[in-house]
Amino acid sequence: DTGVSQDPRHKITKRGQNVTFRCDPISEHNRLYWYRQTLGQGPEFLTYFQNEAQLEKSRLLSDRFSAERPKGSFSTLEIQRTEQGDSAMYLCASSQASGRINYNEQFFGPGTRLTVL
Amino acid sequence: AQSVTQLDSQVPVFEEAPVELRCNYSSSVSVYLFWYVQYPNQGLQLLLKYLSGSTLVESINGFEAEFNKSQTSFHLRKPSVHISDTAEYFCAVSVTGGFKTIFGAGTRLFVKA
Repeated sequence: DTGVSQDPRHKITKRGQNVTFRCDPISEHNRLYWYRQTLGQGPEFLTYFQNEAQLEKSRLLSDRFSAERPKGSFSTLEIQRTEQGDSAMYLCASSQASGRINYNEQFFGPGTRLTVL
Repeated sequence: AQSVTQLDSQVPVFEEAPVELRCNYSSSVSVYLFWYVQYPNQGLQLLLKYLSGSTLVESINGFEAEFNKSQTSFHLRKPSVHISDTAEYFCAVSVTGGFKTIFGAGTRLFVKA
């Protein structure tokens, strides 16, 4: 399967613990996105990478959140000192800008569901 | 800033009936428009998109959406739904030339036998 993969699929943790999620994008894609989706809502943009550079972070991404994309391949999203409000589905997507329209179709992974007890 | 409003949180419909899922957007600049579908326990999949040209766009499984600039709408329609269409549908907007995609809250389509 050559789609976007995320690991783990599910994570249960206690409040105050740190967690790290991994995303492996489609191999030729240079753009990578992280979103958060809570119950009954659509995905909310968290951050965006072009290659290894993190070009934008949402205000939703507090100081407890950090994302990296070393070497412009896989990405990790770390949450420190988790809170119950962090419980959500964390989605990763990747894309490659194409053609003159500069439209980039985003391909989504299955997500990591985080539950903070 | 852009925003997306999906007017119905849930739409129950009988199999083989027509359905329309409504989407309105707000933007001061030109945008691309998308519909994504999310089946249970799966990631989002692009259903169809409007980039430019014909305002009526179609998917391979019978859905269509029409971009209406004057009404700032991008409603999704299907003339005859199947049980397998049961899923959550998200309308989304992206500024042309931009990278960020803004999603609506989603509409849960429930097709009953």
